[in-house]
Amino acid sequence: GAVVSQHPSRVICKSGTSVKIECRSLDFQATTMFWYRQFPKQSLMLMATSNEGSKATYEQGVEKDKFLINHASLTLSTLTVTSAHPEDSSFYICSAARLELETQYFGPGTRLLVL
Amino acid sequence: SQQGEEDPQALSIQEGENATMNCSYKTSINNLQWYRQNSGRGLVHLILIRSNEREKHSGRLRVTLDTSKKSSSLLITASRAADTASYFCATEGYSTLTFGKGTMLLVSP
Repeated sequence: GAVVSQHPSRVICKSGTSVKIECRSLDFQATTMFWYRQFPKQSLMLMATSNEGSKATYEQGVEKDKFLINHASLTLSTLTVTSAHPEDSSFYICSAARLELETQYFGPGTRLLVL
Repeated sequence: SQQGEEDPQALSIQEGENATMNCSYKTSINNLQWYRQNSGRGLVHLILIRSNEREKHSGRLRVTLDTSKKSSSLLITASRAADTASYFCATEGYSTLTFGKGTMLLVSP
């Protein structure tokens, strides 16, 4: 149990386009989902925390209008990278937690390449 | 798939004691990272150890890596109640970062 999926696993897009990444908890309801990004050879950095039905909480330095997060249901959260640029190329990973005090389960990640 | 497996799943100790958590993995890695997560919060990066390193220190943290056994350990010395959190290892291989299930550490005053 406690499987988290992400789609797509890899995406290549042109500069200026928007890309949507989905994060799904397959066999449990996730009240909280987290979005992270990782630059090559660096550690994972938290971007935002999203709770179902409410606005996401963004970490300092993360542009809300650039990275749109929607957590419309207890099993799905989406991250949309708007007007993507080459510097947005990164590895994006989500995680989901059943309850606030429970551990997180991680998705396999999405590798984004913006040309 | 999550190849990092932390051991134990949960650990309960008293303040001042040392806490040791282990992580095993299955495939070749470029580096291994340890993260902590406070309840309901996102991950915080603690330390990264590269595949050609055997030991690394950061404050009260000591990480070891044994690539022949495909295992790593995280030692927290002189633990404090504020160290109560979940700890995850993550292995980085070829363009992937894979997390384990974590160890929940409870430090009682």
